[in-house]
Amino acid sequence: QKEVEQNSGPLSVPEGAIASLNCTYSDRGSQSFFWYRQYSGKSPELIMSIYSNGDKEDGRFTAQLNKASQYVSLLIRDSQPSDSATYLCAAPRTPYSGGGADGLTFGKGTHLIIQP
Amino acid sequence: GAVVSQHPSWVICKSGTSVKIECRSLDFQATTMFWYRQFPKQSLMLMATSNEGSKATYEQGVEKDKFLINHASLTLSTLTVTSAHPEDSSFYICSASQGAGEQYFGPGTRLTVT
Repeated sequence: QKEVEQNSGPLSVPEGAIASLNCTYSDRGSQSFFWYRQYSGKSPELIMSIYSNGDKEDGRFTAQLNKASQYVSLLIRDSQPSDSATYLCAAPRTPYSGGGADGLTFGKGTHLIIQP
Repeated sequence: GAVVSQHPSWVICKSGTSVKIECRSLDFQATTMFWYRQFPKQSLMLMATSNEGSKATYEQGVEKDKFLINHASLTLSTLTVTSAHPEDSSFYICSASQGAGEQYFGPGTRLTVT
């Protein structure tokens, strides 16, 4: 069964520092990965998607994918208190799926705390 | 980004009654909609996948006769929890997509069954 693993944390990072969130996945056929941010009591919000090996940058966020090692990471630069949330890593349930046509398997999420 | 709405945002019902939750894609046509459930301090679990005009595909362990899904148009999917019981109390979240690519989540519906 496909698994997406994350350290549940909490991960505590000082304001202004870089927060590094990691995720590993079991299905070598997985092609696309998504990072969602979820505030307490709210639904997930898409932060980044990544489909190719390497880095993808969007503002303060950088997603990194290493298919050989089967891990995905999310870096948050210049961390702000408003970044405090649970970050969910997700992959389509079906290998080689682009994501939109298939349900997602989520990791349990990493609880990130940015300390002012 | 794409906007997905859900209604109601929260609902309290008595055990044995049914509750309907609506999920709408507001600014795009959603070829596929998904229903997830999230219990406290747990991650989202996929319940079912629905395509417009087709029967929903349910995940293992999800009772299709208890969780009725209707995807009548490209912008609307409904989830009806029939004969709800306290163990059905959860956060129900829908998502929608236009095909391959990202899924966009609705704000969720918090169901409490007393």
